[in-house]
Amino acid sequence: DADVTQTPRNRITKTGKRIMLECSQTKGHDRMYWYRQDPGLGLRLIYYSFDVKDINKGEISDGYSVSRQAQAKFSLSLESAIPNQTALYFCATSDLAAGGSGYTFGSGTRLTVV
Amino acid sequence: ELKVEQNPLFLSMQEGKNYTIYCNYSTTSDRLYWYRQDPGKSLESLFVLLSNGAVKQEGRLMASLDTKARLSTLHITAAVHDLSATYFCAVVTGTASKLTFGTGTRLQVTL
Repeated sequence: DADVTQTPRNRITKTGKRIMLECSQTKGHDRMYWYRQDPGLGLRLIYYSFDVKDINKGEISDGYSVSRQAQAKFSLSLESAIPNQTALYFCATSDLAAGGSGYTFGSGTRLTVV
Repeated sequence: ELKVEQNPLFLSMQEGKNYTIYCNYSTTSDRLYWYRQDPGKSLESLFVLLSNGAVKQEGRLMASLDTKARLSTLHITAAVHDLSATYFCAVVTGTASKLTFGTGTRLQVTL
């Protein structure tokens, strides 16, 4: 099983709909992140979390919300999806705070808003 | 605000040739990553560079870091078609361990 699992892998939704992207991890890492990838723009940080009580905005948080339901679960919600939120979304975990060396990325969720 | 710039954005090269991808960043960082991404796939970690002068090599790829110049390079030696992918550098900043990515370099190796 993958260390960081994202569901769904692909999703097409209509403008104005609420949608949730889910991320779960078996790494035991405290820190979790949501990134968005657009062509030609690299990955940009949406939200990050240090633990279930610590949620922080990234550089492009407008239009998104998150929930850290447990250490292992971090969900990203689009309350009212719009077409320019069409992108590839990645969840990641990090063990840097615990003296580890890096990040683990999920396989991504391709979201299309029509 | 941290800026991470990569160049070139697109690179088409023939098999057997050498080339270098550059990554410049605008603020102090003690950790830099290089990732590879195949189309529609996740990111594969290639290298983590932790200190000034660090050099790491894996196969035909070699990465280096100059923290004083805020510059990292990814050198490709004798390119092969299998290296075709998009390569990202990413810099860690702050106590939140946030990764800031460059825009990526799309590498196409032609036969």
